Amino acid sequence: GQQVMQIPQYQHVQEGEDFTTYCNSSTTLSNIQWYKQRPGGHPVFLIQLVKSGEVKKQKRLTFQFGEAKKNSSLHITATQTTDVGTYFCAGDGGATNKLIFGTGTLLAVQP
Amino acid sequence: NAGVTQTPKFRILKIGQSMTLQCTQDMNHNYMYWYRQDPGMGLKLIYYSVGAGITDKGEVPNGYNVSRSTTEDFPLRLELAAPSQTSVYFCASSYGQAYYGYTFGSGTRLTVV
Repeated sequence: GQQVMQIPQYQHVQEGEDFTTYCNSSTTLSNIQWYKQRPGGHPVFLIQLVKSGEVKKQKRLTFQFGEAKKNSSLHITATQTTDVGTYFCAGDGGATNKLIFGTGTLLAVQP
Repeated sequence: NAGVTQTPKFRILKIGQSMTLQCTQDMNHNYMYWYRQDPGMGLKLIYYSVGAGITDKGEVPNGYNVSRSTTEDFPLRLELAAPSQTSVYFCASSYGQAYYGYTFGSGTRLTVV
């Protein structure tokens, strides 16, 4: 079945450093979504990418969808302590009615 | 607008007991989902529903049952609880299929002892 992997599993940065997490699917995706889950909280929808090569920005966050629509990345510029949490990508292969969530990347930010 | 509401927030069950996790949404979403999240892990789909009266299995359905009699409610039933079902359970809803972001509830933390 479809698998969605993320790397790294965990990243620890100093506040102000940049951070990137990568998402790779075993199949071509019709779209990719990104979620953030604060420690002890629930996943919160951040953004959706649909087009091949699409790039979207939300303040310090930059999201990219690969040309082949099988990978994606999330880049955070100048991390802040409020960025702490687990970032999940989630993709749909197009033939199903549900998303498959990636394994997640836990970001720790040291002040 | 409450979004997706899950009850209870916490529960401890003994092995072999049964319980129902409640999930209600007030956004008139047709699509609803149940996920489980084990410590430090991702989200695994248990069951999902594309509308009232329609349910289907996800990746890890064994040991669970669902029903969808109304658009608003999507309860998850655990029969004969086992320690392997210790997890955090999230209910989610969406307006349509995977082209729409999911709204998650705050979760139910279940421990089976």
